[in-house]
Amino acid sequence: QSALTQPASVSGSPGQSITISCTGTSSDVGGYNYVSWYQQHPGKAPKLMIYDVSNRPSGVSNRFSGSKSGNTASLTISGLQAEDEADYYCSSYTSSSTHVFGTGTKVTVL
Amino acid sequence: EVQLVQSGAEVKKPGESLRISCKGSGYSFTSYWISWVRQMPGKGLEWMGRIDPSDSYTNYSPSFQGHVTISADKSISTAYLQWSSLKASDTAMYYCARLSSSSVWFDPWGQGTLVTVSS
Repeated sequence: QSALTQPASVSGSPGQSITISCTGTSSDVGGYNYVSWYQQHPGKAPKLMIYDVSNRPSGVSNRFSGSKSGNTASLTISGLQAEDEADYYCSSYTSSSTHVFGTGTKVTVL
Repeated sequence: EVQLVQSGAEVKKPGESLRISCKGSGYSFTSYWISWVRQMPGKGLEWMGRIDPSDSYTNYSPSFQGHVTISADKSISTAYLQWSSLKASDTAMYYCARLSSSSVWFDPWGQGTLVTVSS
């Protein structure tokens, strides 16, 4: 099972919007609405930001949104803030009843 | 509060065995699968496998099958990740995470256990 493909880095200025892509196959991202996104600050455990493609858990800012088209899912952060600087990972359930993570994207706030 | 608390950091030599733990609290431990995730130094997250604590059914990533063993003791709400013979390449941070009721997303996560394997 290969990792889902994410851009290594994305950057933006405060207040701007950025989008992180997550590309898989029809056996994972494209086959199920089971994509989730995680934020990880240095030295910390990952934190759930989006589940089931576009749902936000309680307590997560509405500046975070998710979507999917075909085999590619996306996470958009609007109104970028300094605290959003972190690594972001997508994850998908797969047709083999396993899970796979993305390669990870480092978000830098300029 | 739903919480997963992992055991402390370990320093081991190559060839030694090791078992690390993940204790769940604040919820019915047998109602949710537990997964283990590896993060090697400076690298991304890798899904290792998962266990259903109600019956200890497991499934593993092909990348980890045969290299680690996932188990659980539901009487003490604890899941385990075990190695019989560690290698230097097992040096990593290991996280446990609870799977959702639909078993497709991870929340919450444990704080992580750092395993260092060095001669």
